[in-house]
Amino acid sequence: GQNIDQPTEMTATEGAIVQINCTYQTSGFNGLFWYQQHAGEAPTFLSYNVLDGLEEKGRFSSFLSRSKGYSYLLLKELQMKDSASYLCAVRDPRTNAGKSTFGDGTTLTVKP
Amino acid sequence: GAGVSQSPSNKVTEKGKDVELRCDPISGHTALYWYRQSLGQGLEFLIYFQGNSAPDKSGLPSDRFSAERTGGSVSTLTIQRTQQEDSAVYLCASSIEVRDSYGYTFGSGTRLTVV
Repeated sequence: GQNIDQPTEMTATEGAIVQINCTYQTSGFNGLFWYQQHAGEAPTFLSYNVLDGLEEKGRFSSFLSRSKGYSYLLLKELQMKDSASYLCAVRDPRTNAGKSTFGDGTTLTVKP
Repeated sequence: GAGVSQSPSNKVTEKGKDVELRCDPISGHTALYWYRQSLGQGLEFLIYFQGNSAPDKSGLPSDRFSAERTGGSVSTLTIQRTQQEDSAVYLCASSIEVRDSYGYTFGSGTRLTVV
């Protein structure tokens, strides 16, 4: 099975940088996703990592270490609109299996 | 369509009644997924489709839950004899193929309340 851990809540200041960590314990690995979910809305895709290293996309970056079962999402130049829940998801390692297992999410509050 | 469409957006039903939730994925997306999310919780996997077949039904909570997909497009999730613990937001998502790197595109969900 898959076990995914994220902090429940984080608070940061507008303009600052915040790092949201995700650790996972799985019997295999086939890709890790980050999603953003604003209150009352559906999740939206942010990033995908399957190889070790950093993937940068504008103000958002995601890092993966497969040997450590660890990922983080880095948000720079925080804006108020970044207040949301951030979900880490690991794809089922079985060949041709598409489902992802989601963590419970990290609720980020950005303060002025 | 341009996005994933789910209907109804809200459903209030009496305990013991059956409900049908509908999902219309993005045109051309071969993979379709059903998740549910209880208040303040993460997403719980229910079932996914590759084309019209469902390789993994392991997430369906009980035999009261079933789903089908026809024509490689629209999917319906049926819950029979609803219980209060079935109350949640049911999210449908699609992706181009089962193992693509673009993640899921989610619909806005159906908020189910069983009273």
